[in-house]
Amino acid sequence: DIQMTQSPSSVSASVGDRVTITCRASQGISSWLAWYQQKPGKAPKLLIYAASSLHTGVPSRFSGSGSGTDFTLTISSLQPEDFATYYCQQANSSPLTFGGGTKVEIK
Amino acid sequence: EVQLLESGGGLVQPGGSLRLSCAASGFTFSSHAMSWVRQAPGKGLEWVSGIIVSGGRTYYADSVKGRFTISRDNSRNTLYLQMNSLRAEDTAVYYCAKGGLAIITAAVDSWGQGTLVTVTS
Repeated sequence: DIQMTQSPSSVSASVGDRVTITCRASQGISSWLAWYQQKPGKAPKLLIYAASSLHTGVPSRFSGSGSGTDFTLTISSLQPEDFATYYCQQANSSPLTFGGGTKVEIK
Repeated sequence: EVQLLESGGGLVQPGGSLRLSCAASGFTFSSHAMSWVRQAPGKGLEWVSGIIVSGGRTYYADSVKGRFTISRDNSRNTLYLQMNSLRAEDTAVYYCAKGGLAIITAAVDSWGQGTLVTVTS
């Protein structure tokens, strides 16, 4: 199975800050990576697919990059509604494993 | 608008069984792979199982292989998860998840609201 390692596990930031979350795959997954946002008590929402493609309706302050084993999710200017937990997921092969999550908290 | 409505969750004893259902609408169900993803209380997301459009190929996490069975009825736009030999560690919110493609290896682009399964004596 492909292991997905996210870092950091949590980050404290202020509105307007630039936030970067990284995700590393235990083996190469090309660009088969997705990023999700989850708020407490709610289902996750897709932000980014194919490593860098923005899902419909997602604000342009979210961006993704990377290929192979190393990937990044960047929020260019953190907004109040962005405080949430973010997960990466590899979609290269079954089982479709998730990273452990990164909680973005208010500083 | 895509809608995924799970049902069938509840309280069950260890060793028991449950069958989850997911009624899909707002898209061509027979053109998309589907998955179940779960989240234990206070924990992260865990992909559980997936099925391709025809139902001819199914995939499972090692943690549920041999105990859970995923299936779909394209005529009823419904996804199922039969869960047998349930354990305490299966306690979680189970989400129905729509794949972006016909194959299983794609991002989940829509999620249901989830149904809670609690396994306890």
